[in-house]
Amino acid sequence: AQSVAQPEDQVNVAEGNPLTVKCTYSVSGNPYLFWYVQYPNRGLQFLLKYITGDNLVKGSYGFEAEFNKSQTSFHLKKPSALVSDSALYFCASSGTYKYIFGTGTRLKVLA
Amino acid sequence: NAGVTQTPKFQVLKTGQSMTLQCAQDMNHNSMYWYRQDPGMGLRLIYYSASEGTTDKGEVPNGYNVSRLNKREFSLRLESAAPSQTSVYFCASTLQGEQYFGPGTRLTVT
Repeated sequence: AQSVAQPEDQVNVAEGNPLTVKCTYSVSGNPYLFWYVQYPNRGLQFLLKYITGDNLVKGSYGFEAEFNKSQTSFHLKKPSALVSDSALYFCASSGTYKYIFGTGTRLKVLA
Repeated sequence: NAGVTQTPKFQVLKTGQSMTLQCAQDMNHNSMYWYRQDPGMGLRLIYYSASEGTTDKGEVPNGYNVSRLNKREFSLRLESAAPSQTSVYFCASTLQGEQYFGPGTRLTVT
């Protein structure tokens, strides 16, 4: 069965430091992987996706994600965190029409 | 473009009452989705519609029905609300794999 895991409920990082939000997946075939961000009382917003090609995917707001097939991971990264990056982040995978979301990781960037 | 819109934004129901959550998108997307979001559980798919005229069950369809009224609109109906359906409901539409979400409906069932 298709599944996505986000092992950390919360990640704290100091402003200006690099951040990583972890995601691992279990899918059959070639995975389609996504990252979304949710700000308080808002719907989710698309950040980036991996379909095929380069393992390093660049997205919105300076975020990037690294696809690692051998480790079945798709970690979200940013070289220098901003306080405004504080939000809830979701990793997701998709098959034919259906999407599976992780449980979310709350990122807190401390000034 | 308004994107994906949902009504109402908030709703309180008593157990056993019924209601319909409305969703519309103006992006001409074929696929539309209904999710519920609960603390610690992420988003769970209730129903989806791959295209106008089709609907399919997702992970948690029990207690819900849907209607794809036309290409723009996809409604979610609770026939007899239960406290376990207290949640935040999100509608989404999809283009090239990317999902576009509405602002959500916060539903409380007492």
